[in-house]
Amino acid sequence: KNEVEQSPQNLTAQEGEFITINCSYSVGISALHWLQQHPGGGIVSLFMLSSGKKKHGRLIATINIQEKHSSLHITASHPRDSAVYICAVRTSYDKVIFGPGTSLSVIP
Amino acid sequence: EPEVTQTPSHQVTQMGQEVILRCVPISNHLYFYWYRQILGQKVEFLVSFYNNEISEKSEIFDDQFSVERPDGSNFTLKIRSTKLEDSAMYFCASAGMDQPQHFGDGTRLSIL
Repeated sequence: KNEVEQSPQNLTAQEGEFITINCSYSVGISALHWLQQHPGGGIVSLFMLSSGKKKHGRLIATINIQEKHSSLHITASHPRDSAVYICAVRTSYDKVIFGPGTSLSVIP
Repeated sequence: EPEVTQTPSHQVTQMGQEVILRCVPISNHLYFYWYRQILGQKVEFLVSFYNNEISEKSEIFDDQFSVERPDGSNFTLKIRSTKLEDSAMYFCASAGMDQPQHFGDGTRLSIL
């Protein structure tokens, strides 16, 4: 069993739709990261969470430590949001475990 | 905005040769990481580095690999006696205390 799982694996949405990507993990963590990987391969950090909720523009990330679950929401999705979204957890010993990624395609 | 710089962007090497991948982290960052991503697969953790020593390493990071911070600015990953399966994109990242990681653009390593 993977220590970090994401759902869905692939997601196609119409422009303007509200999108949710889920992440669940089975290890103890010090922080959880949401990352965006563009088709060219570059990785950008979107959020780092250890509790609660964070918002940046149209992106919202939440984490429930007790349930070992996090969600990334995108409001008013746009074709430029098309990318792979990766959940990664940082353990207490500074090891980082990556989820398999969710490939998002937003169609105009 | 400061950024993490990796060189070269693409490295082609014969199997069995040694390669050194270079990274210049953001100057006031304290935590440094190397990751790899084999084509079509997920990103994998290799090693984390803090206070001039390895904090944690994965099972991938065996005796073939080593890291160094030779001059206080560069952070290097050395791969000795490269194998075909070492072909991947290698990402460096750095972070400040309790801050998100900043990733470099990666080095694509191709072993022939």
